[in-house]
Amino acid sequence: NAGVTQTPKFQVLKTGQSMTLQCAQDMNHNSMYWYRQDPGMGLRLIYYSASEGTTDKGEVPNGYNVSRLNKREFSLRLESAAPSQTSVYFCASRLVSDTYEQYFGPGTRLTVT
Amino acid sequence: TQLLEQSPQFLSIQEGENLTVYCNSSSVFSSLQWYRQEPGEGPVLLVTVVTGGEVKKLKRLTFQFGDARKDSSLHITAAQPGDTGLYLCAGAGGTSYGKLTFGQGTILTVHP
Repeated sequence: NAGVTQTPKFQVLKTGQSMTLQCAQDMNHNSMYWYRQDPGMGLRLIYYSASEGTTDKGEVPNGYNVSRLNKREFSLRLESAAPSQTSVYFCASRLVSDTYEQYFGPGTRLTVT
Repeated sequence: TQLLEQSPQFLSIQEGENLTVYCNSSSVFSSLQWYRQEPGEGPVLLVTVVTGGEVKKLKRLTFQFGDARKDSSLHITAAQPGDTGLYLCAGAGGTSYGKLTFGQGTILTVHP
C-alpha cells in the first residue's frame, strides 16, 4: 500500500497563475482533508470531504476550491495564486472511526512569487 | 473556535535529558492525538488518548490526557538524537467528520 500520495512535491507559481494539487489514498478511507502548514501555526484545515460526493469548508478556505473525484482522490485548486498562499500543503485521509486518526501524505511545497 | 496552545515552541537539549511538551485548551476534546513530523514529510501518528486521566507509553515516550480532557502532555525520557523532529498535538472536538484542531507544534532538537 502506498498510503496517501500527493503530486507535485514542489511547485513555483507566479501571482495569478492557477494550479491543482492532487491527492490519492489507497486505504479505502471515507474522509479526506486538505491542510496548509506555515511556520509557528501548526496545521490549518482548508477543506474536507466527509465522504465521496461531499465537501465542506474548513478554517481557511478563501482562495481555494476542492473536488472529491471519487473515493480515492481529492484535489485542491488554486484559481489565482497569491504570495499569501506560499505554504506546505498536506492531504490526509481517515477511516471513519471513533478516534479521528488521520494519515498524511508527504506534502507539496508551494511558492508563489 | 477550539484552540490548542502547545508549549514550548522550541526545545534544544542534550542526549540523555528528559523533557515534557504541553498541550492546553479551554475546550473539552473527545480525543487527543500526538503526531511526529520529520523535515520534508507528513505528520505520523504516535498515539491517541481518549479517556480523561489516561496514560499511554510508547517506549521512552509517555502521553497523558488530562482528567477534564482539556490538556495533554508528552514526556520523553533519556532523549536521543533520533527523537529530533516536530511534535504536534491535535484534538478532536466530538463534531462530525473527524475535524482536528492542531497545536502550533514543538520543534525538538536533541544534540549528541
